[in-house]
Amino acid sequence: ETGVTQSPTHLIKTRGQQVTLRCSSQSGHNTVSWYQQALGQGPQFIFQYYREEENGRGNFPPRFSGLQFPNYSSELNVNALELDDSALYLCASSLAGRDTEAFFGQGTRLTVV
Amino acid sequence: KQEVTQIPAALSVPEGENLVLNCSFTDSAIYNLQWFRQDPGKGLTSLLLIQSSQREQTSGRLNASLDKSSGRSTLYIAASQPGDSATYLCAVRAYSGAGSYQLTFGKGTKLSVIP
Repeated sequence: ETGVTQSPTHLIKTRGQQVTLRCSSQSGHNTVSWYQQALGQGPQFIFQYYREEENGRGNFPPRFSGLQFPNYSSELNVNALELDDSALYLCASSLAGRDTEAFFGQGTRLTVV
Repeated sequence: KQEVTQIPAALSVPEGENLVLNCSFTDSAIYNLQWFRQDPGKGLTSLLLIQSSQREQTSGRLNASLDKSSGRSTLYIAASQPGDSATYLCAVRAYSGAGSYQLTFGKGTKLSVIP
């Protein structure tokens, strides 16, 4: 059984650029969620994907978008990068349902300069 | 809006001590609570999951309790070791609409265990 894997581990982008982060969910998990963790803060919910559709979103603007593929892997896309987008981006996978356990990847550290 | 608070923000203890980390949440309509460990610059490792119907869970030297009605959870670490040094995060899972459920996190407690 493989865990949640994210790529790349580190990334540096210039303000205004676009970025794509990738996540492979744990084997058998059909739900993927993305979180943003600024330095010294707890992770904040960005959105969740189930059956290739977004079915929940936190307080993030539309320039944060995502995809989920038939194999349950996922992408997070951020357009028009801002300096405040610098953070650790975490992907979590789980089974669908209200009381399931979330498993997280190692994260992608994004720095916007 | 759910808010999760963790006290203390930082804690330093000598090796071998028992310690308690606290977590409180404002809305008791949760399905479960998870405690995570985070090493610097790394992802989250799930330590314990407590369902809303449970009172406590144990794993090795770790014991987590949940009092859903009062909005509180504690993580007890017995016989602390330098390898326990990390940031500990608690998160509650609740319904967020459209069939989705999200975790709301506290800011964490940074634990340092001094040899």
